[in-house]
Amino acid sequence: TQLLEQSPQFLSIQEGENLTVYCNSSSVFSSLQWYRQEPGEGPVLLVTVVTGGEVKKLKRLTFQFGDARKDSSLHITAAQPGDTGLYLCAGSNTGNQFYFGTGTSLTVIP
Amino acid sequence: GAVVSQHPSRVICKSGTSVKIECRSLDFQATTMFWYRQFPKQSLMLMATSNEGSKATYEQGVEKDKFLINHASLTLSTLTVTSAHPEDSSFYICSSKWDRSTDTQYFGPGTRLTVL
Repeated sequence: TQLLEQSPQFLSIQEGENLTVYCNSSSVFSSLQWYRQEPGEGPVLLVTVVTGGEVKKLKRLTFQFGDARKDSSLHITAAQPGDTGLYLCAGSNTGNQFYFGTGTSLTVIP
Repeated sequence: GAVVSQHPSRVICKSGTSVKIECRSLDFQATTMFWYRQFPKQSLMLMATSNEGSKATYEQGVEKDKFLINHASLTLSTLTVTSAHPEDSSFYICSSKWDRSTDTQYFGPGTRLTVL
């Protein structure tokens, strides 16, 4: 089993603050995805990173894939209440098997 | 993004009954579908991988006789929870891929199963 550990597990911050979520593994992945999930709904894909050291930006969200392709981070600038949700990373090697991280539950307080 | 639907969205059943959950890929042909289980505020746990026309591959610890998966067409996969018990209560989510080489999967909205 290829484990992906996310930290922190829970995060509660005030609107306007910045935060970083980490996704770490001892395994190498060919690609890594980040998802956001709201209660009672399926996860929604935010980004896929495939190259070691790659940085992708999606408005206030910045995603980075580690040089060794074992870890990733998600940084949110000036968090808003709409960013509240469960953030999940998932690693893939063959494209036919995905290993999900342990999840980070984010609450942004207005 | 692609659309994947699940039906029903919620189901409540009595212990001992069987429940069927449908997962449909609405705008592409899904060569592979995945079934996940999720407990509150926890991550997704992969239950099985289903390829059209072949038997599903179950993850370790998942009983294939209890969680029956059928992927009879490129747009439909079903998960049947047989003889359901309260401990089977969970959020079940499916996802679809249109090609085995792609790393992108599209998730359904999930099905909340409550077994009384």
